[in-house]
Amino acid sequence: QKEVEQNSGPLSVPEGAIASLNCTYSDRGSQSFFWYRQYSGKSPELIMFIYSNGDKEDGRFTAQLNKASQYVSLLIRDSQPSDSATYLCAVISGGGKLIFGQGTELSVKP
Amino acid sequence: EPEVTQTPSHQVTQMGQEVILRCVPISNHLYFYWYRQILGQKVEFLVSFYNNEISEKSEIFDDQFSVERPDGSNFTLKIRSTKLEDSAMYFCASSDSRRNQPQHFGDGTRLSIL
Repeated sequence: QKEVEQNSGPLSVPEGAIASLNCTYSDRGSQSFFWYRQYSGKSPELIMFIYSNGDKEDGRFTAQLNKASQYVSLLIRDSQPSDSATYLCAVISGGGKLIFGQGTELSVKP
Repeated sequence: EPEVTQTPSHQVTQMGQEVILRCVPISNHLYFYWYRQILGQKVEFLVSFYNNEISEKSEIFDDQFSVERPDGSNFTLKIRSTKLEDSAMYFCASSDSRRNQPQHFGDGTRLSIL
């Protein structure tokens, strides 16, 4: 059974701090990795995707991938209260379906 | 920016009744998906659809479920005889011509079975 694991949180950080969200996956053959943000009662919203080892930056967000360790992370710099949401890590399995982690709840305190 | 649209936003149905959830994927996308999320649980894959046929389906997607692309724009999920445990948010997603590309989600349909 291919799995994606995340700490459920909640992760609480003060406004302006860096939030670090982590994810591990079991399928060593996975090639595509995604971070989605989900506000309560809403749909997943794509934040970042990464295919290659290393870092990928987009504004305040940085995704990091280490395939050898089967580890993906998301850093949010200068965290804002509006960043408070659940962050879902997802991995594409062979047929193209997304396998999601349970999500990490982030709370940014003003 | 193009988006995936889903209707209705909320559907309330009696157990045993049939429901059809509708989706309009992004217009140039070729891969279509249905996911569901039971309250408080993970987002779970149901089915993927490409070139007018099912590419892959999960164990959840049993004989009560079916999908269809009745025309060039709509993509539907039908549940033939709903059960209480079908109550969930159902999300439609689509991606472009390359299978491993990001999937974009619609706002979802909240299905409540009474």
